[in-house]
Amino acid sequence: AQKITQTQPGMFVQEKEAVTLDCTYDTSDQSYGLFWYKQPSSGEMIFLIYQGSYDEQNATEGRYSLNFQKARKSANLVISASQLGDSAMYFCAMRDSGTYKYIFGTGTRLKVLA
Amino acid sequence: GAVVSQHPSWVICKSGTSVKIECRSLDFQATTMFWYRQFPKQSLMLMATSNEGSKATYEQGVEKDKFLINHASLTLSTLTVTSAHPEDSSFYICSATTLQGPGELFFGEGSRLTVL
Repeated sequence: AQKITQTQPGMFVQEKEAVTLDCTYDTSDQSYGLFWYKQPSSGEMIFLIYQGSYDEQNATEGRYSLNFQKARKSANLVISASQLGDSAMYFCAMRDSGTYKYIFGTGTRLKVLA
Repeated sequence: GAVVSQHPSWVICKSGTSVKIECRSLDFQATTMFWYRQFPKQSLMLMATSNEGSKATYEQGVEKDKFLINHASLTLSTLTVTSAHPEDSSFYICSATTLQGPGELFFGEGSRLTVL
C-alpha cells in the first residue's frame, strides 16, 4: 500500500531564511507523482509543486523547489526566502498512477517568524 | 490553473437534517472528482471518488447511505450528508483533476459543517 510520511508536525523559520519540509513515501509503483500543497488557516488547498517519478531534474516553482531523492524515496520541499505569508499547513501527497487517487501525509505546520 | 468552486462555505444545521454541498468545476470538465473530510489539525481523508454518470466509489469505512454523492454532469458533483449528527461536523473539501499534464488536484474552498 502507498504511504506518505511527514515527520515534522511543526516547524519555525525566520523570515527571509530557507526551510526544508520533509516527506518520505512508500510505493511499489514505478510510475507515480508527488505533490506539495499549502493550506492556510482559511482552509483552501493550494497546489505548489509537482515531481514525476521519471523526472530526472528536481522541480522548481519560484521560491519552491523539491529535493527529490528517488533511491531514498524522499521528496522534501524547500522554501527559500521565507515570507510571513508562508505560514500555513503543508501537505505532501502522492498520486496513484492507476486510480488517480491521492494519498496525503499528516502535514507540517510552518510558522514564519518576523 | 483550473478553478473548482464549492458551496456553501459553512453551514450550521440541526441534528437529523440533511445538508447538501455542491462542487463545481468552473472552467474545465471533471469526469472525476474526489471528496475529502478533514478533522481539525489533521490530514485529508479520502471519502469517495465521484465519477460522472456512475455510482461513486467509497473508501472503506465511509457510510454510503450517510454520505450520498451524485455526479450528474461533467461540472457538478454533490455531497449530501443525510440525517446529520454532531459527529458529522467536519471540514469537507472537494477536488477535481483535469487528468492532463501533471494531473494536480484543484480544490474547492471547502465547506465547514457544524451539526448542533
